[in-house]
Amino acid sequence: SAVISQKPSRDICQRGTSLTIQCQVDSQVTMMFWYRQQPGQSLTLIATANQGSEATYESGFVIDKFPISRPNLTFSTLTVSNMSPEDSSIYLCSVGVGGNADTQYFGPGTRLTVL
Amino acid sequence: QKEVEQNSGPLSVPEGAIASLNCTYSDRGSQSFFWYRQYSGKSPELIMSIYSNGDKEDGRFTAQLNKASQYVSLLIRDSQPSDSATYLCAVMDSSYKLIFGSGTRLLVRP
Repeated sequence: SAVISQKPSRDICQRGTSLTIQCQVDSQVTMMFWYRQQPGQSLTLIATANQGSEATYESGFVIDKFPISRPNLTFSTLTVSNMSPEDSSIYLCSVGVGGNADTQYFGPGTRLTVL
Repeated sequence: QKEVEQNSGPLSVPEGAIASLNCTYSDRGSQSFFWYRQYSGKSPELIMSIYSNGDKEDGRFTAQLNKASQYVSLLIRDSQPSDSATYLCAVMDSSYKLIFGSGTRLLVRP
């Protein structure tokens, strides 16, 4: 497994502002992912954070809204830009480990409320 | 659209009983299957993975996979109140993306 931390754990933000969420893992991993979990819903993959190249975004998510950095194999950031109340959600990073990096472990999440 | 379907519940069982959680998936190319437990206000915690048809046991948990029927299940024996949580079925599709079901809420009555 892996030990994953996220900062901040929660935040309350005003609409129109941006928030950057940090994800740190205790070992080098190839695959890092960002998910969103809206209230009462399951997890939706936002993007795969690729080290050394641009993130790969899922349908419905765009780089201008959710820019992602992956400067090394232990760290990634997700920015939620120009926030609206609809962005209120839990944002989770995960890492893929194992032979095919197919086993994912999740960080503790960041609970975001946009007023 | 690749889908993972779960009954939302709640599934209510008495303490000590067997809880049976079920999941179906649409992508026949899927090879890896996972069960996560999520307590309210917490992040998902991996409890089981299964890759081959049949049963896989780990303590009180047994995962069952039937690829022909595109069906995955999780059995929890001797259910405890501390098992009360939402259980998420996740399937890795043929492009190595993890697709989550909506989760089944389990309530274990003391």
